[in-house]
This record gives sequence, C-alpha cells and structure tokens, in this order.
Amino acid sequence: EAGVAQSPRYKIIEKRQSVAFWCNPISGHATLYWYQQILGQGPKLLIQFQNNGVVDDSQLPKDRFSAERLKGVDSTLKIQPAKLEDSAVYLCASSLDYGYTFGSGTRLTVV
Amino acid sequence: GQQLNQSPQSMFIQEGEDVSMNCTSSSIFNTWLWYKQDPGEGPVLLIALYKAGELTSNGRLTAQFGITRKDSFLNISASIPSDVGIYFCAGFNFNKFYFGSGTKLNVKP
Repeated sequence: EAGVAQSPRYKIIEKRQSVAFWCNPISGHATLYWYQQILGQGPKLLIQFQNNGVVDDSQLPKDRFSAERLKGVDSTLKIQPAKLEDSAVYLCASSLDYGYTFGSGTRLTVV
Repeated sequence: GQQLNQSPQSMFIQEGEDVSMNCTSSSIFNTWLWYKQDPGEGPVLLIALYKAGELTSNGRLTAQFGITRKDSFLNISASIPSDVGIYFCAGFNFNKFYFGSGTKLNVKP
C-alpha cells in the first residue's frame, strides 16, 4: 500500500510571500488532516476533511491559511502571506478508522 | 483544547536498558495511540489502544491504556540505537486526535 505523499519536502520563502503544499492521501481514506508541527512540539491540527467537506477548521488561521480537497482525494494547503512564525513542518495524514498514516511532511522556513 | 502531558521530555539511556514514558490528561479519551517520529519524517504509528485497561505489545514495545482512560504508558525493553527518536502519545475524542509534546529518546551504544 502506498503511503501518504507530500510535496515539496522543503521550502524556504521570505515573509509575506505565498506558499502551497500538496498532499495525496492513501487511496480509499476518506478523512484527511493537515497538521502544523513547530520544532520541539507535538503536531497541532489545522484542518480536517471528510471526503471533500471540512469537518473541523477551528484552529486554522483563516486570515492567511486556506485549504481545499477537490474531489475528495488530493488536498492543498496555502499560506498567503507567510509570517516568520509559520516556520514549521506541515504534516498531512489520512485515516480510514482510528489509525492515522502520516506523510513525511513539508519543512517550511520563512526568512 | 484537551491537553496531554507527556513525560519525561527527554531521556538519555544506555543501549540494552529498558525505557518507560507516559502520558496523562485531565480529559477522558476513547483511544490512545503511540507514535515514533524520526528526524525529517512524519510520525509512524507504533501501538493503538482501544479499551480501558488494555495492555498491548508490539515486539519490544508494550503500551497500556489506563483504567481511568486519562493516561497511558509506553515501555521499550532492551533498547537499541535505532530506538532513537521522538515518541508522541495521542488521545482520540470527539472525532479529533490530540498530541502530547513528545519524549525525545537518546540511546548510547
């Protein structure tokens, strides 16, 4: 079974620039999550999709972050404009039941 | 949000030693999960616990779901250098997962 694919692996941008991350979940997994993991901390949920509908986006900073999951498969997470404090690893995960499978993440550095 | 307190924050042990780490919360969880994260990678599921009091093993790893459903521990026996990494606990409630802040494990050969 292929895992959760994320790209790019690394991204360095200047503050106020825009950036987008892509996630392809495991085939058949209806639920997709985006997490932000700041260095030294556990992952923090940003948004949860069930198929192509948003289940929970209460922790998503909606003034600058947006996410979509077209056709209930791939998903993109966008930051516009980026701030220094957005430097983190952005993890995508998908699940069928209780167990998540995480992608390797995108490490974002905002300078 | 619901907080998970994970301890210790970091551990330095000798290869071959046993390791114990735990996770506590003021909230009740229906499911506890333990993950390991290697540098530059996403967390990988080690053990999932679904019932209060459940004790589950996966090779050298053993985890238990506390009776009160507010805590869990993870033991690693006879540690080896590849056990190095950050171990996260996660509790599941109301269709969401909540993560602890991690225990960083260092193993000296």
